[in-house]
Amino acid sequence: ETIMTQSPATLSVSAGERATLSCRASQSVSRNLAWYQQKPGQAPRLLIYGASTRATGIPARFSGSASGTEFTLTISSLQPEDFAVYYCQQYNNWPPVTFGQGTKVEIK
Amino acid sequence: HLQLQESGPGLVRPSETLSLTCTVSGGSISSSPYYWGWIRQPPGKGLEWIGSIYSSENTYDNPSLKSRVTLSIDKSKNQFSLKLNSVTAADTAVYYCARHGARGYSYVDYWGQGTLVTVSS
Repeated sequence: ETIMTQSPATLSVSAGERATLSCRASQSVSRNLAWYQQKPGQAPRLLIYGASTRATGIPARFSGSASGTEFTLTISSLQPEDFAVYYCQQYNNWPPVTFGQGTKVEIK
Repeated sequence: HLQLQESGPGLVRPSETLSLTCTVSGGSISSSPYYWGWIRQPPGKGLEWIGSIYSSENTYDNPSLKSRVTLSIDKSKNQFSLKLNSVTAADTAVYYCARHGARGYSYVDYWGQGTLVTVSS
C-alpha cells in the first residue's frame, strides 16, 4: 500500500497570504496525484489532478507541483472561502487508492 | 450535470450487514471508462477508499477491509451498491459514493453528498 503523508496537520494563515501544503508518497506514484478541498458537512471537491492540472472551475490561485515523491499544493492568496481541509490522493498504485490524512487551513 | 445520491439505513447493528445504494442521475452508469466507487470518512477523521466497480466482473476493494465488501452494479436502474458485512463500531462513518476514471485517471470527479451510517446496538 502506498502511504501518503501530509504536512503540516494544521496551517494557520491570514486571508490574502500564501499557503503551501505538502504531501509525500512512500513510493513512486508518477504524477497520479490529486488534491481535494473539503468544507464542514460537505463532500470533498476535486481541485487538482495529474499533480498540476486544475479541475474545471477551480480558480487560478490554486496550483500544484511535483518533485519525485513530494507534491505541493499552493494557494497564492487565501480567500475566506479557502479555509477548509485539504487531502491529497494517489491513484497510481491501486488497489488501494490512498489518501493523506489531511491538512486543515485555518484563519490566523 | 451528473449527480450521485446515496441511500440506505442510517443505523446498523453490530455484526450485521451495512447496505447502501447509489443512484446516478444526469448521465449513464454505463459510460466508459468510468468506475463507480465508495469512500468513507469516520467522524472527525480522514478519507478511506472502500472499493470500486466497473462491471460485475471488474471490481476492486481495499484489502484492509478483509474481504467484507461486496460491490454490485445494476445498469438498468443506473445504480450501484455496497454491502459491508460483520460491521463493528469502527465502521461508523459518512459513506460517499463517487465516480472516478480508469487507471491513470482514477481521481474522483463526482461525489455524492454522503450518508452517515452509525453502527450501534
